[in-house]
Amino acid sequence: SQKIEQNSEALNIQEGKTATLTCNYTNYSPAYLQWYRQDPGRGPVFLLLIRENEKEKRKERLKVTFDTTLKQSLFHITASQPADSATYLCALGNYGQNFVFGPGTRLSVLP
Amino acid sequence: DAGITQSPRHKVTETGTPVTLRCHQTENHRYMYWYRQDPGHGLRLIHYSYGVKDTDKGEVSDGYSVSRSKTEDFLLTLESATSSQTSVYFCAISERGQDTEAFFGQGTRLTVV
Repeated sequence: SQKIEQNSEALNIQEGKTATLTCNYTNYSPAYLQWYRQDPGRGPVFLLLIRENEKEKRKERLKVTFDTTLKQSLFHITASQPADSATYLCALGNYGQNFVFGPGTRLSVLP
Repeated sequence: DAGITQSPRHKVTETGTPVTLRCHQTENHRYMYWYRQDPGHGLRLIHYSYGVKDTDKGEVSDGYSVSRSKTEDFLLTLESATSSQTSVYFCAISERGQDTEAFFGQGTRLTVV
C-alpha cells in the first residue's frame, strides 16, 4: 500500500536559516503534491501545489521541489522566522483519487 | 478565509450515543470532505462528497455515515459512538477536488467517554 513519510517528526532551526522539510513516498505515483501549514488547534491551510511535470514552485519565501525519480518533495522556507513555527503537511494526489496526507513535521524556529 | 464552518467545536458524549457533526460552506464548492486527525496517524479521510446526494467512503469509514442534501451542508454521523472515535474532526471543501487546494474548517474536538 502507499506510504508517505515526512522527515523527522520535529525540526528545530535558528531564525534566519533555511528550513528544509522532506516528504517521501512509496508505492505511489502522484500526479501532484500539496503542502499545508497547520497551527495548533486550527485546520490546515494550503500553501503550494506542484504537479508531476513541474520541478520547482516558488511563493515568496517558500520553495517546493518535486522529484518523481527519487519519489520525494522538498519544502524550503528561506529566512525563517519564529512565526513560521507550525506543523507542515504534505498531501499527494492523483486524478480520480482523493489526496492522501503525510503525518506532518513540526517546525520550530528559534529566535 | 474560505467560508466554512463546523459545529459544534467541542463535544463530549457517552459511548453508544449517536452524534452528528455539521459542516457548512458558503463557497458553493462541489467537493466536501470529512477527516479525522489523531496523533501518529495524521489526517485520514472518512467520507467525501462530490455533489448533492453523491457521497463515497474514505480510508476509515467504518462506524460513520454522511449525508449531503444541500450543496452547502455536509453532515457526519456516528451512529453509536465508541471511545476509538475520540478525535479531532475536520471538514474540508474543494472546488474541483483532485488538483485544487482544499480549505479546512476549524475542527471539532469530540470526546467519547
